[in-house]
Amino acid sequence: LAKTTQPISMDSYEGQEVNITCSHNNIATNDYITWYQQFPSQGPRFIIQGYKTKVTNEVASLFIPADRKSSTLSLPRVSLSDTAVYYCLVGAAFKAAGNKLTFGGGTRVLVKP
Amino acid sequence: DAGVIQSPRHEVTEMGQEVTLRCKPISGHDYLFWYRQTMMRGLELLIYFNNNVPIDDSGMPEDRFSAKMPNASFSTLKIQPSEPRDSAVYFCASSLRREVYEQYFGPGTRLTVT
Repeated sequence: LAKTTQPISMDSYEGQEVNITCSHNNIATNDYITWYQQFPSQGPRFIIQGYKTKVTNEVASLFIPADRKSSTLSLPRVSLSDTAVYYCLVGAAFKAAGNKLTFGGGTRVLVKP
Repeated sequence: DAGVIQSPRHEVTEMGQEVTLRCKPISGHDYLFWYRQTMMRGLELLIYFNNNVPIDDSGMPEDRFSAKMPNASFSTLKIQPSEPRDSAVYFCASSLRREVYEQYFGPGTRLTVT
């Protein structure tokens, strides 16, 4: 699984857009980029997954440049309830063996009023 | 759908006792995963099953840990004997074969071993 690097923490204010960048220089051709969100005292929750360019859903957008060595999770107009830890993961969507998610330290996002 | 169900939600036990954690995956999901989360080590994958068969248990810390999946709707993680360093939150997750990176996590079991 490709190693990822993301900021330890970020602060923001309600109504602002939050962008979290993840570096994955060793991403392989078959690897996808996946982001999870974890609230305190809860299990992680899948947010979004992408391979290249841009992916958008009702929760977030994921921007992936052409070289795919990094990706940016964008949370539009955050609210206090978006305070959570956000994990970036990179790996093959499906392999014959070793389908694993490896969670790094994540980015702790604190949204202030 | 009720989501992934775990029990108990909290468990406090004394060192040396046997602990059994339970998980019911989402119906129809082919994969089941057990994770452990601590402040020091973060979220670690312990073992995962595909169609009730253990595929990779390389994350199981030692022989005191064992996991079973007797059928598609039930799995257990057992620690015997338990030690204080096993204190952690244990999560169970499940996923569909084709969406193996889109895992659905349960609420977790907070284990405290005194």
